[in-house]
Amino acid sequence: GEDVEQSLFLSVREGDSSVINCTYTDSSSTYLYWYKQEPGAGLQLLTYIFSNMDMKQDQRLTVLLNKKDKHLSLRIADTQTGDSAIYFCAELNRDDKIIFGKGTRLHILP
Amino acid sequence: NAGVTQTPKFQVLKTGQSMTLQCAQDMNHEYMSWYRQDPGMGLRLIHYSVGAGITDQGEVPNGYNVSRSTTEDFPLRLLSAAPSQTSVYFCASSYSSETGGAQYFGPGTRLLVL
Repeated sequence: GEDVEQSLFLSVREGDSSVINCTYTDSSSTYLYWYKQEPGAGLQLLTYIFSNMDMKQDQRLTVLLNKKDKHLSLRIADTQTGDSAIYFCAELNRDDKIIFGKGTRLHILP
Repeated sequence: NAGVTQTPKFQVLKTGQSMTLQCAQDMNHEYMSWYRQDPGMGLRLIHYSVGAGITDQGEVPNGYNVSRSTTEDFPLRLLSAAPSQTSVYFCASSYSSETGGAQYFGPGTRLLVL
């Protein structure tokens, strides 16, 4: 079946770069997304990438897509305490459904 | 724009009771969906709608009903609540199921079934 996998936890020092990784199984995915969820809140779309792109940069965020390996990553430069949250990877699959990973909890060390 | 709104924010039910979780959006989005979020399970799609009058089942539809009589509203009904339905429920909307654009989420409804 279709699946989106990501590690559950990542710990990074403030000021360093955070890299959150994700793998997916549906080679027909058209869009891939990164969402951020802060405590007690809903999910907020951070960025997305179309499947024919390799990279997308938006201020401190860089998304890399390796379609051959079905690997997606989110890099957050100069990580701040406000970046502490759960980050969800998601794909738009061949049935036009968005499939979410279980989320990676980013913890910022002082 | 208010975006996606959900009511209530919190609810406690007894087993067997029914209730409706409300969801509304004022962005004229065609696509709306309901998810539940459980610890260690991520987000799971319950039902979704690609437009007024059209609904379809997601990954975990059992025990839930939906309807989409207007573009703006997409209520989720629990027919006979069970403890397994204790969860946080999120409603989301987007312009189209095929868009690469934003899927906007509501703030969530926290449901406890005793």
